[in-house]
Amino acid sequence: GDSVTQMEGPVTLSEEAFLTINCTYTATGYPSLFWYVQYPGEGLQLLLKATKADDKGSNKGFEATYRKETTSFHLEKGSVQVSDSAVYFCALRAVHNQGGKLIFGQGTELSVKP
Amino acid sequence: DAEITQSPRHKITETGRQVTLACHQTWNHNNMFWYRQDLGHGLRLIHYSYGVQDTNKGEVSDGYSVSRSNTEDLPLTLESAASSQTSVYFCASSDPGLLAGELFFGEGSRLTVL
Repeated sequence: GDSVTQMEGPVTLSEEAFLTINCTYTATGYPSLFWYVQYPGEGLQLLLKATKADDKGSNKGFEATYRKETTSFHLEKGSVQVSDSAVYFCALRAVHNQGGKLIFGQGTELSVKP
Repeated sequence: DAEITQSPRHKITETGRQVTLACHQTWNHNNMFWYRQDLGHGLRLIHYSYGVQDTNKGEVSDGYSVSRSNTEDLPLTLESAASSQTSVYFCASSDPGLLAGELFFGEGSRLTVL
């Protein structure tokens, strides 16, 4: 079945460090891919998305590129801030599912120290 | 502003009791979802609905039920609460079609079953 695998956390970085959170997926065809972010005590929010191969999603300085050849959608940011401390979830929507049902990875906790 | 609200935000109950978690959205979205969040598992889909009178089981539906009598509400019922159902529950909604996958989440309901 379809699945999403993320690198395990927690990830601890110093402010202004470069961030990469790995995400790989298993699915048939070309699923849509998403990154969601969960700040402490809150629900998830959509951070960025990509709907076809080689698409780059970007938002708030974060980027992720849909790589069909490696079935990956790694999240990157060039310079993290303390306010980026949160849990990040990679997710996919299967091609055959037009209703919006998402499959989530297990989440990666990011802690940024000043 | 449109929103999605969950209640109660925190609840403690005893094994065997029936519990209902409410979810109300004012986005006028057709699609609604219930997920549970557990450490190491990320978010797992419990039930979902693509419209009034439509309900579907997700990957962890045993012990849970939902009903959809109007567009705005999708209450989640635990028929006989078990300690394994101690979790944080998130309700989400989305539009169908091209925007499917862009979920709007509530702030979560933390349930403890003693």
